Amino acid sequence: DVQMTQSPSSLSVSIGDRVTITCRASQSISKYLNWYQQKPGRAPNLLVYGTFTLQSGVPSRFSGSGSGTDFTLTISSLQPDDLATYYCQQTFTTPYTFGQGTKLEIK
Amino acid sequence: QLLLQESGPGLVKPSETLSLMCNVSDASISSTTYYWGWIRQTPGKGLEWLGTVNYSGTSYYTPSLKSRVSISVDPSQNQFSLRLRSVTAADTAVYYCARLTGDAAFDYWGQGALVTVSS
Repeated sequence: DVQMTQSPSSLSVSIGDRVTITCRASQSISKYLNWYQQKPGRAPNLLVYGTFTLQSGVPSRFSGSGSGTDFTLTISSLQPDDLATYYCQQTFTTPYTFGQGTKLEIK
Repeated sequence: QLLLQESGPGLVKPSETLSLMCNVSDASISSTTYYWGWIRQTPGKGLEWLGTVNYSGTSYYTPSLKSRVSISVDPSQNQFSLRLRSVTAADTAVYYCARLTGDAAFDYWGQGALVTVSS
């Protein structure tokens, strides 16, 4: 299985901060990396797919980058609605696997 | 607006079979563009992909559960289902159904169904 390792596991942030979350795959996954946002009691919500492409309706302050084994989700200016847990997922090969999550908390 | 809705028992006894249905609204499950999948979430293991199926019944499963899991599709009812046999307490989780796009991302999810395995 491809192991997905996210860092950090939690992050204390302030509104307006530039936030960067990283995800490392245990082997090359080409561009097949997705990012999801999850709020308590809700299903995950797709933010970015194929490393770079923003899902329809997702604010432009979110962006994704990377290739191969190292990927990044960036929030350019954190808004209150962005306080949530973020997960990366690889869909290069089955079993599709997720990172363990990065929880953003207010500082 | 596409909606997915899980349904099924919230409590299953150990060694029995967990069965969940996902009803799809405002989209055809017979579309050749998409697969349909199940993902579960536990505090300990996080998000775990269980498997996916397409309109013709072609399915893929996670190897760790392959001997116990099956996913099937019912185009006539626009539904797909999950069966997980011989459950234990470790199968207690929130189970989500979701749509897998041609870009290999899950773009629509159900609200989730908590299933507890307990006698």
